[in-house]
Amino acid sequence: EADIYQTPRYLVIGTGKKITLECSQTMGHDKMYWYQQDPGMELHLIHYSYGVNSTEKGDLSSESTVSRIRTEHFPLTLESARPSHTSQYLCASSENGVYGYTFGSGTRLTVV
Amino acid sequence: SQQGEEDPQALSIQEGENATMNCSYKTSINNLQWYRQNSGRGLVHLILIRSNEREKHSGRLRVTLDTSKKSSSLLITASRAADTASYFCATDSTNAGKSTFGDGTTLTVKP
Repeated sequence: EADIYQTPRYLVIGTGKKITLECSQTMGHDKMYWYQQDPGMELHLIHYSYGVNSTEKGDLSSESTVSRIRTEHFPLTLESARPSHTSQYLCASSENGVYGYTFGSGTRLTVV
Repeated sequence: SQQGEEDPQALSIQEGENATMNCSYKTSINNLQWYRQNSGRGLVHLILIRSNEREKHSGRLRVTLDTSKKSSSLLITASRAADTASYFCATDSTNAGKSTFGDGTTLTVKP
């Protein structure tokens, strides 16, 4: 079944740790996105990709980085986590952005 | 500033009633999408309406688009307790397929 998967679902880590949030999709979509969302708030685009070896920064300044080595995989890395990074991170993909986005279930990150 | 802004921020109704949510945006768009989000989960795509369409239906959902007023509405008819969620509109204002999301309407349907 075509879908988009995010792991881990929940993560609690200490300040200064390096972490990678995983996102994989099985739909063959070229476009993938990372959004940050605080509880009950709007979504902010932090990174996106139009295909392999393509990555762009989004509207929200972020201290994270992404890579797109394979079509199906779009991991997000925080080199040094801080409490201000505590949030929910949502990964999404789309087929040319024409039919809407498919979202993963999200990773809820807490940095202590 | 946000491209899409939903109104109202929160809506509470009884089961069986209709729920209407509005979305306003600022720039020209290619399409507008509505999503639903259950608490703590990812968003689920509900319906997409293109800029040359005025109305679209999907089950109990009815979406309208008025490009002259830069606004859209989502109507959920005969609401159910299971419709309780946050609803977001998103606009694609370029051909790059990068959508901007509003801050959502929280709908509570009381059984």
